[in-house]
Amino acid sequence: EVQLVESGGGLVQPGGSLRLSCAASGFTFSSNWMHWVRQAPGKGLVWVSRINSDGRSTNYADSVKGRFTISRDNAKNTLYLQMNSLRAEDTAVYYCAREYYGSGSYVVDYWGQGTLVTVSS
Amino acid sequence: DVVMTQTPLSLSVTPGQPASISCKSSQSLLHSDGKTYLYWYLQKPGQSPQVLIYEGSNRFSGVPDNFSGSGSGTDFTLKISRVEAEDVGVYYCMQSIQLPYSFGQGTKLEIK
Repeated sequence: EVQLVESGGGLVQPGGSLRLSCAASGFTFSSNWMHWVRQAPGKGLVWVSRINSDGRSTNYADSVKGRFTISRDNAKNTLYLQMNSLRAEDTAVYYCAREYYGSGSYVVDYWGQGTLVTVSS
Repeated sequence: DVVMTQTPLSLSVTPGQPASISCKSSQSLLHSDGKTYLYWYLQKPGQSPQVLIYEGSNRFSGVPDNFSGSGSGTDFTLKISRVEAEDVGVYYCMQSIQLPYSFGQGTKLEIK
């Protein structure tokens, strides 16, 4: 069974840092691209970042570029999101999600349960 | 960036009746590889999103056949042939033809 379990969220002051983790199990983690998607309280889904299977290629939304860093440790089956210079508008539930490639199709299929990041003084 | 626009933003449906949600993209989602990079997700209350439809019209594994996706280019539709109580939640379309991936605003489905 595919499982994605996020951790590391919490309350942080503006300008502070936080590192999120996403522990993956039930599939070959090193074969899949991975994403972070966030959802501000009561709002919709917003894509944040993507990393390829070997970690050498990364992409970011403009709103987090230069402040957030996505990475992965395939030996530990874990995805990370290092968040620096946090702002109030970064307050959201952060989901990690798997992008699966099979039978010629790409699908962002499994999502974790999310971890809440609150940026406030 | 590709802008995704959903209508309506809310929907109240009697159980057993059909429902339809529209999603329009600001650019064509048809890739040169022949695939259409349009997806539908349902986020049930208190849960993370779950995929319903991929590549515009393909039902994901385990999704009931009363869900169907259609459309091409920039205009897409998600249809529920007979709404059930367990279908409540917020439906999102998403495009992945171009970075940044982008979602529609969401359509909240409730039961009358």
